[in-house]
Amino acid sequence: AQTVTQSQPEMSVQEAETVTLSCTYDTSENNYYLFWYKQPPSRQMILVIRQEAYKQQNATENRFSVNFQKAAKSFSLKISDSQLGDTAMYFCALKTSYDKVIFGPGTSLSVIP
Amino acid sequence: NAGVTQTPKFQVLKTGQSMTLQCAQDMNHNSMYWYRQDPGMGLRLIYYSASEGTTDKGEVPNGYNVSRLNKREFSLRLESAAPSQTSVYFCASSDPPPLTYNSPLHFGNGTRLTVT
Repeated sequence: AQTVTQSQPEMSVQEAETVTLSCTYDTSENNYYLFWYKQPPSRQMILVIRQEAYKQQNATENRFSVNFQKAAKSFSLKISDSQLGDTAMYFCALKTSYDKVIFGPGTSLSVIP
Repeated sequence: NAGVTQTPKFQVLKTGQSMTLQCAQDMNHNSMYWYRQDPGMGLRLIYYSASEGTTDKGEVPNGYNVSRLNKREFSLRLESAAPSQTSVYFCASSDPPPLTYNSPLHFGNGTRLTVT
């Protein structure tokens, strides 16, 4: 069975500072994909960043980057230069074979002016 | 381009009533999903369909049934609603092959269901 764990239910960060959200997962498969999604108060789900498990290089999208540690099954998200618009729920997700996608419980991030 | 469309947006049911949540996508996606979102529990997978004609159980399938009517539509049915099924329900789909395996989910706007 696949599982995704996010151990930080809530976090806060000062505007312009850097914050790291943690995610660990478990799967017996060797090929899989990891994602971070953002859900602002509008409830819309927005893709933030994705990582292929077979790639050693960590993914980066503008102010967002990941630290992917395959052996440790860890997939953390770093947000640099935090902005007020980053305030949202953040979900880590694991996509395995047969297109099954499992989410973690989420981290509520508040950016403080 | 509508993307993923869910209906209805809101619904209130009494215990024991039945209803069907509708979902349609116009992006030619092979895979479709139903999730429920509850506070503190993230999105939990109810059922998914990796292709037209196939469906598979997710993490919390009990009390639900699904139908993949065609490639575009994937419905979720509650046969006898219970208060524990009060939640926000999301439908999602993902890109067609050869991108399916690494493509993200595209979500609908959700249905807020209350069972009294």
